[in-house]
Amino acid sequence: ELKVEQNPLFLSMQEGKNYTIYCNYSTTSDRLYWYRQDPGKSLESLFVLLSNGAVKQEGRLMASLDTKARLSTLHITAAVHDLSATYFCAVDKGSGAGSYQLTFGKGTKLSVIP
Amino acid sequence: DTGVSQDPRHKITKRGQNVTFRCDPISEHNRLYWYRQTLGQGPEFLTYFQNEAQLEKSRLLSDRFSAERPKGSFSTLEIQRTEQGDSAMYLCASSLVSGSTDTQYFGPGTRLTVL
Repeated sequence: ELKVEQNPLFLSMQEGKNYTIYCNYSTTSDRLYWYRQDPGKSLESLFVLLSNGAVKQEGRLMASLDTKARLSTLHITAAVHDLSATYFCAVDKGSGAGSYQLTFGKGTKLSVIP
Repeated sequence: DTGVSQDPRHKITKRGQNVTFRCDPISEHNRLYWYRQTLGQGPEFLTYFQNEAQLEKSRLLSDRFSAERPKGSFSTLEIQRTEQGDSAMYLCASSLVSGSTDTQYFGPGTRLTVL
């Protein structure tokens, strides 16, 4: 059974600081997704990582994937309050074309403090 | 592009009642997924459809749960004889199987409270 672990689960950081969220998964997969969820809201897609060594960046967020280590990271640069949210990584169980069954981590609740 | 919509957004019911939720996917998307999310957890996969075919349903939580997508467009998720443990957010997502990228786009969810 595929297991996805995120750490930390809670992160309080000051504005302007850098930090990394880690996502480890237990079985081979080459599809990993990062989502953001604001309180009471649904999930917003951030990144899709489809191959070993993939790196994607959007604004202050950068995600990478190491399929050999079964590890993805979400790096936050110079955090701002607007980044406060819960961040989920999700790993695709399926193979072949298209995503199928995503297994999510428990999420990392990020609070950026002025 | 109006996004994935779900109805109702909130549902309060008494234990033992049946409930049905509706999901309308993004119009050109051919895959539709249902997830359940409980407080403090990530979404948990339940089932998915490709067009009108339900290709995976082994993760539905019990035989009280069923889903349909009769014409390959909207879908319904029904829970029969609800229990307090069914209280959760039920999320629908859709995607377009096209090439190598296939992001699932989530709807706003239906929050179920079973009293």
